[in-house]
Amino acid sequence: SQQGEEDPQALSIQEGENATMNCSYKTSINNLQWYRQNSGRGLVHLILIRSNEREKHSGRLRVTLDTSKKSSSLLITASRAADTASYFCATEGGSYIPTFGRGTSLIVHP
Amino acid sequence: DAMVIQNPRYQVTQFGKPVTLSCSQTLNHNVMYWYQQKSSQAPKLLFHYYDKDFNNEADTPDNFQSRRPNTSFCFLDIRSPGLGDAAMYLCATSSDTKETQYFGPGTRLLVL
Repeated sequence: SQQGEEDPQALSIQEGENATMNCSYKTSINNLQWYRQNSGRGLVHLILIRSNEREKHSGRLRVTLDTSKKSSSLLITASRAADTASYFCATEGGSYIPTFGRGTSLIVHP
Repeated sequence: DAMVIQNPRYQVTQFGKPVTLSCSQTLNHNVMYWYQQKSSQAPKLLFHYYDKDFNNEADTPDNFQSRRPNTSFCFLDIRSPGLGDAAMYLCATSSDTKETQYFGPGTRLLVL
């Protein structure tokens, strides 16, 4: 299965701290995406990084991709209470259909 | 604003009583997906349509069916809901299967 695995499963930090989540996968990919899900809601796309890219930024978000290690990380800098959510990575293999991991549950305490 | 809409947001049904969940999109995307998500789990792809081409995941139960009468609408039919089918059902769209998916808010299904 191409399913990505996020690590850690849960993360609790104070407002203003940085949050780092990791995603590992097993086979080669064309792209990897990160999504956010607030409790009881749909997923919101954050960043797509292609296999030939190593780093992308979007506001306070920074995503890295290391295809040699088959891993990606999502860094949220200067976290806010509103960042509290679950974060999923989605990887796609030959079928081109993204497959989601179980997610990291992030809690940011005010 | 272009968006993905799911109705209803909450659905209560009885064990064995057929139920239909609906999804519509104003993005004019080619691909529409249905996912099932249980508490603290990854969204699990049930099937997707690329235009009118239906693609069923191998482990999707026969109890789940889907219809896409036109580009904008896609329906999820659960023919005989069981207690294990209680979950959040997410609809998503994308311009192509390799591209970003846009999700609706989900329909939470409760089976009594």
